[in-house]
Amino acid sequence: DQQVKQNSPSLSVQEGRISILNCDYTNSMFDYFLWYKKYPAEGPTFLISISSIKDKNEDGRFTVFLNKSAKHLSLHIVPSQPGDSAVYFCAARSGGYQKVTFGTGTKLQVIP
Amino acid sequence: EAGVAQSPRYKIIEKRQSVAFWCNPISGHATLYWYQQILGQGPKLLIQFQNNGVVDDSQLPKDRFSAERLKGVDSTLKIQPAKLEDSAVYLCASSSLPRGIGNTIYFGEGSWLTVV
Repeated sequence: DQQVKQNSPSLSVQEGRISILNCDYTNSMFDYFLWYKKYPAEGPTFLISISSIKDKNEDGRFTVFLNKSAKHLSLHIVPSQPGDSAVYFCAARSGGYQKVTFGTGTKLQVIP
Repeated sequence: EAGVAQSPRYKIIEKRQSVAFWCNPISGHATLYWYQQILGQGPKLLIQFQNNGVVDDSQLPKDRFSAERLKGVDSTLKIQPAKLEDSAVYLCASSSLPRGIGNTIYFGEGSWLTVV
């Protein structure tokens, strides 16, 4: 049962343009959503998060949007840079013990 | 602040052998997680500790996997006997309490296991 889904396994974007990574979830008990970035041979690193009581959170070039009615969130990167090339994981938290469930990831390639 | 430390980074073993991975979380972090990431998939939670107690091990294959967190700090994850399908990256992560906005989990670099 895949509760967090990232339906696009890969995405290519030109440098300077916008990258949009999408994520869908099924569990309405999720109360917090996170995006992680992962380079090869490294562990995932935290990028940005959003509480379920908000619909937008912005941090520099990164903005996460949450649409609770659609159970959908997206990560926008503007402008995209070659160093952004990595695998991006969407994750969602639930429960009193903060169980975090990850999606399958989207590999972003930013072309110079 | 030191990050989550894991060892060994890489391990190759034959099927039916045993292996153990060690994790030292960020100082003061009460919650410790072990995730399994198979190539091309997202991290899957194997076990979650709150201090030295287990709060979730629903996806841990208990016939071959075991984990402990003595004294609520370091943790070890053991696989015995290993199967070919256990080839994966084993990620340790930790997070602090209390639960709240901005709280997140921090990962180590992972332990790469190849079972041949």
